[in-house]
Amino acid sequence: NAGVTQTPKFQVLKTGQSMTLQCAQDMNHEYMSWYRQDPGMGLRLIHYSVGAGITDQGEVPNGYNVSRSTTEDFPLRLLSAAPSQTSVYFCASSYSGFGTPYEQYFGPGTRLTVT
Amino acid sequence: GNSVTQMEGPVTLSEEAFLTINCTYTATGYPSLFWYVQYPGEGLQLLLKATKADDKGSNKGFEATYRKETTSFHLEKGSVQVSDSAVYFCALSYNAGNNRKLIWGLGTSLAVNP
Repeated sequence: NAGVTQTPKFQVLKTGQSMTLQCAQDMNHEYMSWYRQDPGMGLRLIHYSVGAGITDQGEVPNGYNVSRSTTEDFPLRLLSAAPSQTSVYFCASSYSGFGTPYEQYFGPGTRLTVT
Repeated sequence: GNSVTQMEGPVTLSEEAFLTINCTYTATGYPSLFWYVQYPGEGLQLLLKATKADDKGSNKGFEATYRKETTSFHLEKGSVQVSDSAVYFCALSYNAGNNRKLIWGLGTSLAVNP
């Protein structure tokens, strides 16, 4: 198993550009999520999905879109990049069945800089 | 509401020192508790977990006990190594209606000097 994969590893954007961060998992997990990690802020949830075709907002969704057309893939789209979106982005997945501990599997991250 | 509070870092220790990183939580019901570790330049990975009161999670020499009476899940290791230098996150999961929710601490950075 490859686990959770993310591409690209690094990206530099200019203000106003758009891009898509890719995330894929091969563990047949229903639950997938996107976090951003900033110094002193810990992990903040951007969007999440409990299954194909179902997405919902986390605590910091503004400026980001997601879709979930398959169980495996959960791309994150930046619509018009802003310097405030400079961060490290992590994708995570887990089995979401009730009665399970709900442990998360993380990708290696994408380091995004917006100038 | 539910929350997780962990001690602020950075924590700096010498090799073979004893480590404690405090984590306390506020939650209704019966949450599951986790410690995750993030090595430099990598994503987070699960270090250990506990799903009910008095459970002890352990892995790689690290331990944490789920203490409902003190609402704590402190991470301990008897003798740290340079390779343990990382950021450690305490987390809590709970049921919220038909969804599962996850709450994260802010992370504690550990540096171990040789």
